Amino acid sequence: NAGVTQTPKFQVLKTGQSMTLQCAQDMNHNSMYWYRQDPGMGLRLIYYSASEGTTDKGEVPNGYNVSRLNKREFSLRLESAAPSQTSVYFCASNRDRGYEQYFGPGTRLTVT
Amino acid sequence: AQTVTQSQPEMSVQEAETVTLSCTYDTSESDYYLFWYKQPPSRQMILVIRQEAYKQQNATENRFSVNFQKAAKSFSLKISDSQLGDAAMYFCAYSPYSGAGSYQLTFGKGTKLSVIP
Repeated sequence: NAGVTQTPKFQVLKTGQSMTLQCAQDMNHNSMYWYRQDPGMGLRLIYYSASEGTTDKGEVPNGYNVSRLNKREFSLRLESAAPSQTSVYFCASNRDRGYEQYFGPGTRLTVT
Repeated sequence: AQTVTQSQPEMSVQEAETVTLSCTYDTSESDYYLFWYKQPPSRQMILVIRQEAYKQQNATENRFSVNFQKAAKSFSLKISDSQLGDAAMYFCAYSPYSGAGSYQLTFGKGTKLSVIP
């Protein structure tokens, strides 16, 4: 079992460039999440998908879009990267709300 | 909006000793979940313990236990017999049981725990 996998692990972008962060889970979980973690802060929810076919905004959705491609995969897209989006991004999944969330290893993104 | 406060940015403990990390939260909900997550230098987020608010009994997992005081909205984590591998950032998190925001985990800012050999 790989659990939750994320690609890439590291990425450097220039302001205005776009990119997609990929996430996949092999635990047959219904719900998936994207968080960002900034220095001195806990994780903040960007978007989540309660179940296949649905997505909803979290606390900090501006500048991001998501796609729940199928039950396994949930991608996060930055259309026009800004330096304020420099952060570590985590994908997570769980069987349903209230259950333990399993996290991927994170992606460190730097926007210059 | 719910908030989670961890008032101790950093703490240290001697190996084999006991340490307690504090967490308070603000909510108007009566049913909710509380969590402690550990983030070692590897950056991987790992669940330490989970508490359901409707359960009176405090959750325990081996050397980790919580003191859940619902009326005071307090959820502290006690680590007994501290080990070098316990050194990490610890995050307290909250989610409501149902309704709007029930899929959203709200995290505190974390407490960095150092373990002294």
